[in-house]
Amino acid sequence: NAGVMQNPRHLVRRRGQEARLRCSPMKGHSHVYWYRQLPEEGLKFMVYLQKENIIDESGMPKERFSAEFPKEGPSILRIQQVVRGDSAAYFCASSPTGTDTQYFGPGTRLTVL
Amino acid sequence: DQQVKQNSPSLSVQEGRISILNCDYTNSMFDYFLWYKKYPAEGPTFLISISSIKDKNEDGRFTVFLNKSAKHLSLHIVPSQPGDSAVYFCAALFTNAGKSTFGDGTTLTVKP
Repeated sequence: NAGVMQNPRHLVRRRGQEARLRCSPMKGHSHVYWYRQLPEEGLKFMVYLQKENIIDESGMPKERFSAEFPKEGPSILRIQQVVRGDSAAYFCASSPTGTDTQYFGPGTRLTVL
Repeated sequence: DQQVKQNSPSLSVQEGRISILNCDYTNSMFDYFLWYKKYPAEGPTFLISISSIKDKNEDGRFTVFLNKSAKHLSLHIVPSQPGDSAVYFCAALFTNAGKSTFGDGTTLTVKP
């Protein structure tokens, strides 16, 4: 049973470009969470999704950030018009229900030049 | 307002001794707590969890203790091994809400 998959592992963008981060949850998991880790900080919750629904986006910046988890395919975290402050490690986690242990992917390291 | 705090950014112990990592939380509504271990350039790996209805959970060398009145939990690693050197995060969640709130992590170094 493959774990949570994230791609790309490393992403370099110039200011103003768009970044798309993908997450495939573990098989049988329908709950996906995105977290961000800024340098020298802990993980900060961004958004919680189930298939085709956003359950909690209280940690998402109000502008430029969006997330989706379509019926088919991976969950996507999209950052438009990236700025240097968006440089961070973005982790995706999944769980089978919404009430128990979350299993993390290896993360995508975004660098904005 | 940080609801989950790990006040020690780092901890160094000798191989074979006990490592004790601490975590405090402020919201008494949290009902499930977890510890994760993270190596550089990897995602966090689940270690051990505890429900708020318990005060202790043990798994091999790892034991988590929960003191609800003090809003405090701790992770004990006995005996510590060099391979345990990593960043340890505690996390708390409301089981009807899903999202986890993480502390900032404690870097554990186990010296041979």
